[in-house]
Amino acid sequence: DAGITQSPRHKVTETGTPVTLRCHQTENHRYMYWYRQDPGHGLRLIHYSYGVKDTDKGEVSDGYSVSRSKTEDFLLTLESATSSQTSVYFCAIGGSIYEQYFGPGTRLTVT
Amino acid sequence: EDQVTQSPEALRLQEGESSSLNCSYTVSGLRGLFWYRQDPGKGPEFLFTLYSAGEEKEKERLKATLTKKESFLHITAPKPEDSATYLCAVQTLESSASKIIFGSGTRLSIRP
Repeated sequence: DAGITQSPRHKVTETGTPVTLRCHQTENHRYMYWYRQDPGHGLRLIHYSYGVKDTDKGEVSDGYSVSRSKTEDFLLTLESATSSQTSVYFCAIGGSIYEQYFGPGTRLTVT
Repeated sequence: EDQVTQSPEALRLQEGESSSLNCSYTVSGLRGLFWYRQDPGKGPEFLFTLYSAGEEKEKERLKATLTKKESFLHITAPKPEDSATYLCAVQTLESSASKIIFGSGTRLSIRP
């Protein structure tokens, strides 16, 4: 998986609780992305980062925040989880905007 | 509105039976078109990036081509291990990295 890990791999949480997902890379790539994948919607970009402390919103950013304090780590936070945020979350990295290598994913269930 | 459509949704082939998957796109300007392979329970695996009409790229039994309105992923003499979902994605010209649009994918099944 191109030196990219995600943690946790599975999580079950209750509505209203905060959740943080972590993406860690060992490739020293500049770009990092968070996607969610849902049946019928495909992969949708939540947020992305183009450098340390440089982030921007994607297509479905409402209810999510991100932080990148180090090149290797990109955190995705759900401030108050809702059932609509039940999904599989993928992190991706890339040395340029023309390549993206995906992590193994995190399956999140909000009950 | 920018859009990416993949067809068919599912395709079942016999081992050795060649075929093509289609990715049609409607965007105001194309920066790049990407193909990925995704196995169940795993993240997408990068296959190709195509940048301009007429471009072709190959990898083992896979060959990707690009025109001004669509891309094809040709699979020659497939094997059961080629079974997966194949995803197409488009990045538009006037957008930043935030505007990468994925299609819903084609589920390919190869019977031995």
